[in-house]
Amino acid sequence: GENVEQHPSTLSVQEGDSAVIKCTYSDSASNYFPWYKQELGKRPQLIIDIRSNVGEKKDQRIAVTLNKTAKHFSLHITETQPEDSAVYFCAASGGSGSWGKLQFGAGTQVVVTP
Amino acid sequence: NAGVTQTPKFQVLKTGQSMTLQCAQDMNHNSMYWYRQDPGMGLRLIYYSASEGTTDKGEVPNGYNVSRLNKREFSLRLESAAPSQTSVYFCASSRTSGGDNEQFFGPGTRLTVL
Repeated sequence: GENVEQHPSTLSVQEGDSAVIKCTYSDSASNYFPWYKQELGKRPQLIIDIRSNVGEKKDQRIAVTLNKTAKHFSLHITETQPEDSAVYFCAASGGSGSWGKLQFGAGTQVVVTP
Repeated sequence: NAGVTQTPKFQVLKTGQSMTLQCAQDMNHNSMYWYRQDPGMGLRLIYYSASEGTTDKGEVPNGYNVSRLNKREFSLRLESAAPSQTSVYFCASSRTSGGDNEQFFGPGTRLTVL
């Protein structure tokens, strides 16, 4: 089955700096890669996703890039703000036999200090 | 719309007790999921239901059973709770059974098994 690895596990950045989180996946057939943000005590919520026919996608201060050859994808947050502090999860799906199941990474705790 | 709702929010059980976690969605979604979230391990799929009338095992199904009661409701049952089942449980739903549809999460149930 699919295996998703996420790095780093924790990330501290100064307000205004950029943050980058990287994920690798194992199943070359995977074709959908969402990113979820989970604030403390809250539910995970989708912030951006990318499909395998696209190399990059942006939405205001966040962007995701996908390298299918290397089987990795990354989340980029620019001009970080305190409200960006949360746990971020990457996920992958669509691979062989996976139907619509999402395989999540272990998460990255992002702390933005003023 | 309430989205995805879960009951209860918190529960404490003794080893060997049973309980059912309830989940409902009002978005007319076809697919529903149950995850558990443990520190440092991301979200792991317990069971899912691609459509009304079908259920299937996920990554960590042992010790759990599910029922897709109708299109709106998907319950998770612990027949004989164990301390290893102490976790936060999230229900989620998505529009179709395709893997590239956003999953919407409920608020979670924090379960402690003593």
